[in-house]
Amino acid sequence: EIVLTQSPGTLSLSPGERATLSCRASQSVSSTYLAWYQQKPGQAPRLLIYGASSRATGIPDRFSASGSGTDFTLTISRLEPEDLAVYYCQQYGSSPRYTFGQGTKLEIK
Amino acid sequence: QLQLQESGPGLVKPSETLSLTCTVSGGSISSSTYCWGWIRQPPGKGLEWIGSIYYSGSTYYNPSLKSRVTISVDTSKNQFSLKLSSVTAADTAVYYCARADSSGNYYVKDYFHYWGQGTLVTVSS
Repeated sequence: EIVLTQSPGTLSLSPGERATLSCRASQSVSSTYLAWYQQKPGQAPRLLIYGASSRATGIPDRFSASGSGTDFTLTISRLEPEDLAVYYCQQYGSSPRYTFGQGTKLEIK
Repeated sequence: QLQLQESGPGLVKPSETLSLTCTVSGGSISSSTYCWGWIRQPPGKGLEWIGSIYYSGSTYYNPSLKSRVTISVDTSKNQFSLKLSSVTAADTAVYYCARADSSGNYYVKDYFHYWGQGTLVTVSS
């Protein structure tokens, strides 16, 4: 089973700053099969990124992602107050087919 | 626009079976282009994939839950369902249904594009 470890656990930044969120896999992940989600308080997760770096429809270009192998990064440039959320990475693999990281909580000062 | 809506009891007694249904609107569940899944989130915790199903009826389950999970599909109603047996308090969670899409390889539905709003199921006597 591939375990995804996200860091930091909590990130506290001010509006306008840049956020860098990390997702590290215990084994190599196909970059095609790495996705990122945003979950705002009281809401369902929303797809941000699929295929490691492709933005989902309607996602602002402030959100970008990169990575390969075991190290993946989600970057949010120019933070806005509405970016307050928990961010999850997710990979598709063999067994179990889908695993999620434990999440990074982004706080806006 | 595709919408998914979970429905079912919000309270289940320990040792009983949790049953939920996801109704899909704005699109057909009968497409090999996608598969359909259940994901849960205990209060204050992270996301856990439960299992997925294709319209054909092929299923894939999380090994940690496999012995207790059954997912089925009813194409005539554009619905798919989850049954989780022998529940305990540890199964208390918000349960989401979602559609999985492919980012490249047609045969691999690797990310969850659309999600329902979720439904809280509490296991308690």
